[in-house]
Amino acid sequence: QQQVKQSPQSLIVQKGGIPIINCAYENTAFDYFPWYQQFPGKGPALLIAIRPDVSEKKEGRFTISFNKSAKQFSLHIMDSQPGDSATYFCAASMSTGGFKTIFGAGTRLFVKA
Amino acid sequence: EAGVAQSPRYKIIEKRQSVAFWCNPISGHATLYWYQQILGQGPKLLIQFQNNGVVDDSQLPKDRFSAERLKGVDSTLKIQPAKLEDSAVYLCASSLVLGRTNEQFFGPGTRLTVL
Repeated sequence: QQQVKQSPQSLIVQKGGIPIINCAYENTAFDYFPWYQQFPGKGPALLIAIRPDVSEKKEGRFTISFNKSAKQFSLHIMDSQPGDSATYFCAASMSTGGFKTIFGAGTRLFVKA
Repeated sequence: EAGVAQSPRYKIIEKRQSVAFWCNPISGHATLYWYQQILGQGPKLLIQFQNNGVVDDSQLPKDRFSAERLKGVDSTLKIQPAKLEDSAVYLCASSLVLGRTNEQFFGPGTRLTVL
């Protein structure tokens, strides 16, 4: 119930393509869903986050789609660039639980120039 | 503003030895987290502090791992004795919970290799 399942494990797209990363959760008590971006040798950094009371959120080229009934959410990267090549983690947390955060296993994205 | 500082950046030890990691969070951040990130996996929460009190340590292997956060600022994570499976990157993060959001700021991590 505490797991967050993330797919695919890795993804290769051409520059300008739209990679999509999917995540699913079980525990309906989760109420905050961030996405983190991690470059080699660095710690993860928050990219964008969503709460379950909205179905979509856009920030620049990054969009989260959220399906509360299916308990799934996904990250879309519009007009992907080689600089977007990184590992992306979805996560889920409970604000009532002190924001204890469960991370997905990660998706390694490579954007070809 | 300065980010989360961690040291050392790298550590190589033999199994059964002891090791300690240090973290200095962003000034004013009350919440501090220690995560273990095994190669190819997502970060796994080991312990979460709110000021100097423990909020969650349910996944901390308490027979060998310990952590403290003195005066609600810096924190240390210790492993004694280390096992081969402890080889991982240990990430420290801090956050300032604002209403219904919680952005965690991560340090660069300490890469531990246990031989």
